[in-house]
Amino acid sequence: DIQMTQSPSTLSASVGDRVTITCRASQSISSWLAWYQQKPGKAPKLLIYKASSLESGVPSRFSGSGSGTEFTLTISSLQPGDFAAYYCQQYNNYTYSFGQGTKLEIK
Amino acid sequence: QVQLVQSGAEVKKPGSTVKVSCKASGGTFSSYAIKWVRQAPGQGLEWMGDFIPFFGSAKYPQKFQGRVTITADESTSTAYMELSSLRSEDTAVYYCARGGAALHYWGQGTLVTVSS
Repeated sequence: DIQMTQSPSTLSASVGDRVTITCRASQSISSWLAWYQQKPGKAPKLLIYKASSLESGVPSRFSGSGSGTEFTLTISSLQPGDFAAYYCQQYNNYTYSFGQGTKLEIK
Repeated sequence: QVQLVQSGAEVKKPGSTVKVSCKASGGTFSSYAIKWVRQAPGQGLEWMGDFIPFFGSAKYPQKFQGRVTITADESTSTAYMELSSLRSEDTAVYYCARGGAALHYWGQGTLVTVSS
């Protein structure tokens, strides 16, 4: 099974900051990586798919990069609604797994 | 616009079985797999398996094999997830989601509480 490791687990930042979350896969997954945002009591929301493709309707301050085993999600200028949990998810050979999550909190 | 609407919250006894439904509207039901993901309280997301309507087959991770069954009724555009031999650790919110490699659409979630 492919393990996904996110870092950091918690990130404290301020409105307007640029932040980066990293996700590492235990083996190469090419570009089969997605990023989700989840707010308390809500279902996850897809932000980025295939490592760097922005989901329709998602603000352009969100961007993704990487391939192989290392990936990043960057938020260029934090807005108040961005404080939430973020998860990466891999797809490989018809199996899926998620990172453990990163909680983005207000400093 | 694709929508996934799940059945309501459930309270179950240990050892029993729960069946959660997920009704899809918008788009073609057989075009994409329906996946099930769960989230225990305060924890992360866990893939439980998926059903590919086009092939009429399901795939499960090893952890859930033998205990979870995912099916679908194309006539009603509804998918089902049945989890048996429930234990307290199965208390979680269960989500259905639709997509291929990424999950573009999600249901609202169904809370399943396992308690004696």
